Amino acid sequence: AQSVTQLDSQVPVFEEAPVELRCNYSSSVSVYLFWYVQYPNQGLQLLLKYLSGSTLVKGINGFEAEFNKSQTSFHLRKPSVHISDTAEYFCAVIPPGAGGTSYGKLTFGQGTILTVHP
Amino acid sequence: DADVTQTPRNRITKTGKRIMLECSQTKGHDRMYWYRQDPGLGLRLIYYSFDVKDINKGEISDGYSVSRQAQAKFSLSLESAIPNQTALYFCATSDPGQGVYEQYFGPGTRLTVT
Repeated sequence: AQSVTQLDSQVPVFEEAPVELRCNYSSSVSVYLFWYVQYPNQGLQLLLKYLSGSTLVKGINGFEAEFNKSQTSFHLRKPSVHISDTAEYFCAVIPPGAGGTSYGKLTFGQGTILTVHP
Repeated sequence: DADVTQTPRNRITKTGKRIMLECSQTKGHDRMYWYRQDPGLGLRLIYYSFDVKDINKGEISDGYSVSRQAQAKFSLSLESAIPNQTALYFCATSDPGQGVYEQYFGPGTRLTVT
């Protein structure tokens, strides 16, 4: 089974400051990793994903994340945030391939609320 | 038009009532999921379906049932609603067979049980 821990439930930052949202996962098998964003009163939208290849993944809206296999982390970063980045962010993992009770099931972290202040 | 739609978007119901939440998708994905979101708990899987004939319980299926009427439609029912089922409910789709491991979410249904 997999588990995902988002280390900060809330992150307040000022506009134009850099931000890092932390995500650690636990899994006995390799996983694919995702970051989703939920803007107020909206559904979840895919921000970026890591399936294979380069460990630095770029997503929409200037966000990027780095997969670190040895530390089992997938932290999300943005060098300069905007007011419009205020949202809740979810890290999630899924095991690739077939078989097992976890097949096809996405496991989410608890979410991190990013609040950008002017 | 949205690829994953949910109806209703908001619903207030009384304890003991039966309620159905509906989800439709135009993405052509085989897999569909129902989640509930509660503050501080992230999203938790209620039920999932890998195709029309395949229905599976998720981690919090008690008190819920589902129906996969077609590839494009997946409904969630609360047979006898209770207040602690007040939450935001999301439907999602995916298709790992096509390499689509990420899930696509509907806009959500906000359910309040009084």
